[in-house]
Parts: sequence; C-alpha cells; structure tokens
Amino acid sequence: TQLLEQSPQFLSIQEGENLTVYCNSSSVFSSLQWYRQEPGEGPVLLVTVVTGGEVKKLKRLTFQFGDARKDSSLHITAAQPGDTGLYLCAGANTNAGKSTFGDGTTLTVKP
Amino acid sequence: DTGVSQDPRHKITKRGQNVTFRCDPISEHNRLYWYRQTLGQGPEFLTYFQNEAQLEKSRLLSDRFSAERPKGSFSTLEIQRTEQGDSAMYLCASSPTGTRYEQYFGPGTRLTVT
Repeated sequence: TQLLEQSPQFLSIQEGENLTVYCNSSSVFSSLQWYRQEPGEGPVLLVTVVTGGEVKKLKRLTFQFGDARKDSSLHITAAQPGDTGLYLCAGANTNAGKSTFGDGTTLTVKP
Repeated sequence: DTGVSQDPRHKITKRGQNVTFRCDPISEHNRLYWYRQTLGQGPEFLTYFQNEAQLEKSRLLSDRFSAERPKGSFSTLEIQRTEQGDSAMYLCASSPTGTRYEQYFGPGTRLTVT
C-alpha cells in the first residue's frame, strides 16, 4: 500500500510570513499533484509535477518534486489570509488509475 | 467552462434508507473517480471508471455500495441500507486521457446519516 505523509498537520502563521509544508512517501510516484481545499468544497488542483527534481512556481507558491520522486514540498512566500485552507498532496502511478492522497496540512494565515 | 457537478450537495437520511448521488464530469474527460472524505482526512479512493468500464473498486467499498457510469457520461453512486458510519463527504473527480492523472473535483455531496 502506498502512503503519503504530510507535515505539519496544522500550521498557523501571521500574514507576510513564509512557510513550507511537506509530502513524503517510501514509494515512487509517476506524478504528484497538490490541491487546495476549502471547507465544504472539493479540492482544487494547483499543480502537477512529474520529473524528479522538478520545480514549479505559481505566483507566491513554489512546488518541488524530490529527485527520487518519493517526496514533494510546497513553499509559500509572504502568506496572505486568502492562502488559508487544507493543502493536499496526491500521488499517482501509470496504469494504476487511482491517486493516493495524504491527510493534508491545514494552514491558517492570520491578518 | 463547465466543471464537475454533483447532486445533491447535501443529503440527510435516516439509518437504513438508500441514497443515490449523481456526478456529471467534464465532458471530454474519460476517467471518473469517486472518493469519500471524513473530517481531518484526505480523500479515500472508492472506485474508478474509464469510459463506462469500472476498472477498480476499493476493498473499503462494501456490498452496500454500487456505482455505475452508463454510456460513459454521468455516474451514480448508490448506498443501500445506510449506516451512521457512512456519514462523510462523497467527492467525484474526472480526468482526461493521459498519464499525468490530474483530477478535477466536483463540490462534493455531504451525507449525514441520523
């Protein structure tokens, strides 16, 4: 069974601070997605990474896929209250169909 | 731009009743997934369709759960003889052909079994 562990589970910071959250596994994935979810809504896709060592930027968000394709990180620069939400990572493998999700990091950014 | 839609958004039912949820995927997506999510957890895989074929079903899905995707378009998830432990958010997602497995989620159906 492939498992994804996300850390920290909860993070509360002040507006303007930087933060990094992590997604780790002992398994190799073909691709890894990051999603953001707000209460009562479905997850919204932020990014997909597929190549070991890949770095992608989305405005103030920077995503990195580990060289061995077993882990990933999400760094947010100058966090804003609008960044508040549950950040989920999900790993997938070719021909496996389904994705395996971590339990997420709940981020609260206080104004 | 039409995303994934789910109906109903909320369902309250009494234990023992049957419920059915509907998912309409993004029209050009041939893959459709159902997940269940409880508070404090990430989405948990239930089942997966490619076109009309149900290719995988989680062992977590008891015989009380059934899903269909007739004609490879919309999908339904039925839960028979609901139990309080079935209370959760039921999420549907769709994905285009390819190997990136990016999934686009609907807003979910919140089920409460009393």
